[in-house]
Amino acid sequence: AQSVSQHNHHVILSEAASLELGCNYSYGGTVNLFWYVQYPGQHLQLLLKYFSGDPLVKGIKGFEAEFIKSKFSFNLRKPSVQWSDTAEYFCAVMPPNDYKLSFGAGTTVTVRA
Amino acid sequence: DAMVIQNPRYQVTQFGKPVTLSCSQTLNHNVMYWYQQKSSQAPKLLFHYYDKDFNNEADTPDNFQSRRPNTSFCFLDIRSPGLGDAAMYLCATSSPEASGRRETQYFGPGTRLLVL
Repeated sequence: AQSVSQHNHHVILSEAASLELGCNYSYGGTVNLFWYVQYPGQHLQLLLKYFSGDPLVKGIKGFEAEFIKSKFSFNLRKPSVQWSDTAEYFCAVMPPNDYKLSFGAGTTVTVRA
Repeated sequence: DAMVIQNPRYQVTQFGKPVTLSCSQTLNHNVMYWYQQKSSQAPKLLFHYYDKDFNNEADTPDNFQSRRPNTSFCFLDIRSPGLGDAAMYLCATSSPEASGRRETQYFGPGTRLLVL
């Protein structure tokens, strides 16, 4: 079945550490890719998105993601996390010729002060 | 400035008692979605409206229905809530035609449903 996989269920790190969250998808063809973030008690917010062009995408709050087509991956990175980055992070894929999103299971990130 | 508004934020209902959740949007988007999100899980699409056309996901239980009386409003009706329906319900909107496949969904804050 076509799907979106997030490698880590829960990541715990200290402030100033670097963060990388993996996301792989199994759809062929041209896809649109997204990372959403859900801070505790808040709604899903768009962190960044990739449609075409430069495979390195910069988003809000210092996050970036790299689309590697050959690996069907769209990994999220942040060089130095802050306590306020504690949240749940969802990778989402819009398959070819579709407008609906398919979400990964999410990764809970806990940043310790 | 709120773009996708959901009311109420918290809803408590009794087992088997019908409940309606509401969503409104100020974006004038033609597509509105309802998702169910259980704790520590990904949002699961229940159905969506593309304009007036209702599109149900294959695995959405019949217990869940939806209405969209106009572009701005969309309702989620749970006819006979069970304990397993306790979850966060998210509304989202998008405008596929206007974006030309550069599509983003905008989410509301969600309604947390508790079934007693």
